[in-house]
Amino acid sequence: AQSVSQHNHHVILSEAASLELGCNYSYGGTVNLFWYVQYPGQHLQLLLKYFSGDPLVKGIKGFEAEFIKSKFSFNLRKPSVQWSDTAEYFCAVNGPGGSYIPTFGRGTSLIVHP
Amino acid sequence: EAGVTQFPSHSVIEKGQTVTLRCDPISGHDNLYWYRRVMGKEIKFLLHFVKESKQDESGMPNNRFLAERTGGTYSTLKVQPAELEDSGVYFCASSPGTGSYGYTFGSGTRLTVV
Repeated sequence: AQSVSQHNHHVILSEAASLELGCNYSYGGTVNLFWYVQYPGQHLQLLLKYFSGDPLVKGIKGFEAEFIKSKFSFNLRKPSVQWSDTAEYFCAVNGPGGSYIPTFGRGTSLIVHP
Repeated sequence: EAGVTQFPSHSVIEKGQTVTLRCDPISGHDNLYWYRRVMGKEIKFLLHFVKESKQDESGMPNNRFLAERTGGTYSTLKVQPAELEDSGVYFCASSPGTGSYGYTFGSGTRLTVV
């Protein structure tokens, strides 16, 4: 079965710092990859997704993620975080093959100090 | 477009009691999913409806959990009798098609069993 590892459970940064959140998955083959974000008191929202094509994916609010197939990774990055990026971030993977139910990681809680 | 609505947003019940969670998907979305997140752990899939039919209920933890979607509109998830380990946040998501395309999540119901 697919498993998803998010290595950083809690991250604390100051505004303008750069962010990279790790995500690795276990099962190879064709997969679809997602990053979701949950801001305090709000619902889970899709930040970005990768289905095929350019492995560098750009999402909303200046976030991007890079799919590295050889490393089974899909790390999330942002060059300069803002206080409003304080949220919980979840990596999710569905696949391979016909498995369309996404498997989520444990989430990373990000706190950005102004 | 209205989003996915879940209620209650919070519920605190005693062990042994019954609780019913409700999810109203986006109108026209045939696919409805339930997920659960136990504190600090990953978001885990519970089950998937296509209209009123259960497509996949492999994630349901045990027979104390009963999900229904009469008429293919809103869904309920009943826990009877509730146990302490059932505490967590229950998320609902809906999508127009199968898979993670166009997934929209609700804000979740935080269930605390004391």
